[in-house]
Amino acid sequence: KAGVTQTPRYLIKTRGQQVTLSCSPISGHRSVSWYQQTPGQGLQFLFEYFSETQRNKGNFPGRFSGRQFSNSRSEMNVSTLELGDSALYLCASRARMRGNEKLFFGSGTQLSVL
Amino acid sequence: AQSVTQPDIHITVSEGASLELRCNYSYGATPYLFWYVQSPGQGLQLLLKYFSGDTLVQGIKGFEAEFKRSQSSFNLRKPSVHWSDAAEYFCAVGASNTDKLIFGTGTRLQVFP
Repeated sequence: KAGVTQTPRYLIKTRGQQVTLSCSPISGHRSVSWYQQTPGQGLQFLFEYFSETQRNKGNFPGRFSGRQFSNSRSEMNVSTLELGDSALYLCASRARMRGNEKLFFGSGTQLSVL
Repeated sequence: AQSVTQPDIHITVSEGASLELRCNYSYGATPYLFWYVQSPGQGLQLLLKYFSGDTLVQGIKGFEAEFKRSQSSFNLRKPSVHWSDAAEYFCAVGASNTDKLIFGTGTRLQVFP
């Protein structure tokens, strides 16, 4: 069974641009969540989706948005990029929205904003 | 406020030595507790989790953790460390019906041969 797949693996953008990151969950998983990881702030929750509905959102500005498609694949978008958006963006999936279900993480997309 | 504290930023041990990584949490509801490991350039791998029941939980790769409610702690232990255990370790807390986890800042483990 393939794991959580995130594309692209690396991305370089300049300030003011926008970017879209993609996440394909494990087959059969309906819950997808996103995290931002930076050396200064650590791992911070961005959003979670279940069956195309956003269930929860972290404390990030409106420039950060996401969506989930009917096949459970998810995308997140960051508009008007800032230098501080440089980070590793991790996607995670699990089968159902229950705490005792294991959360599987992808290897992430490393975004660099110049 | 909900938070997780990992007081040790960096720990160095010799191969074969025992290991304990500390984790303290502050959480209003009944916590679900996790330990994750991350190798450079990789995602997070779940080592173990605690939801309820026996306060000593066993995980993968020979790790275990003990939940102590009175101390709000969930420390990770391993009796004998291997060089391949060198990585960054994250403690996290969450609730039962959400993927929203609150992570600690991590402890980087270095293992000397």
